Amino acid sequence: EAQVTQNPRYLITVTGKKLTVTCSQNMNHEYMSWYRQDPGLGLRQIYYSMNVEVTDKGDVPEGYKVSRKEKRNFPLILESPSPNQTSLYFCASSIGGRTGELFFGEGSRLTVL
Amino acid sequence: AQSVAQPEDQVNVAEGNPLTVKCTYSVSGNPYLFWYVQYPNRGLQFLLKYITGDNLVKGSYGFEAEFNKSQTSFHLKKPSALVSDSALYFCAVRDPMNRDDKIIFGKGTRLHILP
Repeated sequence: EAQVTQNPRYLITVTGKKLTVTCSQNMNHEYMSWYRQDPGLGLRQIYYSMNVEVTDKGDVPEGYKVSRKEKRNFPLILESPSPNQTSLYFCASSIGGRTGELFFGEGSRLTVL
Repeated sequence: AQSVAQPEDQVNVAEGNPLTVKCTYSVSGNPYLFWYVQYPNRGLQFLLKYITGDNLVKGSYGFEAEFNKSQTSFHLKKPSALVSDSALYFCAVRDPMNRDDKIIFGKGTRLHILP
């Protein structure tokens, strides 16, 4: 089954404790992206990657890191989480080029105390 | 810079009536436009897209959208609403002329279908 898998789905952590949210897709998609969803703000793009070893900042990259060492994986790293990073995070992927639609994971709800 | 606006936070429609969820965009060239739906506690699901060609595009679950270049709009429509259409709807734009490949989403419109 074609899917985007994120882990963990739920996480409560404390300020400053490094964490990684993993994302994996099994569709051989070139493009992958991370979004955060906050009430009243919709989805905002954090980082995206057009292919292996190619990553670019989205609109809200501060406080986040990503890497794309393999085509299928695109982890999101919070080196020193802060309470303003409490949010619902989505990973998504699409085929290469710009005409493809995004396939989304089920989301990861992160709370930073 | 590209942008998307969904002017209504919430739309209420009686079951069986036609529905419209509005979206306007701003890009430098010809846009690629998308609609997604989000059900509670789920990720977003793709509904339909406009890339080129016929201005009226049809998608999943009986939804359609009309691309209007002069009004820079891409409104989502359905002739007869179902209670199960109640969800959060997002419009998104991709600008094929930009060097970067950001995909920008609107803030979402919550659709309530009233029985």
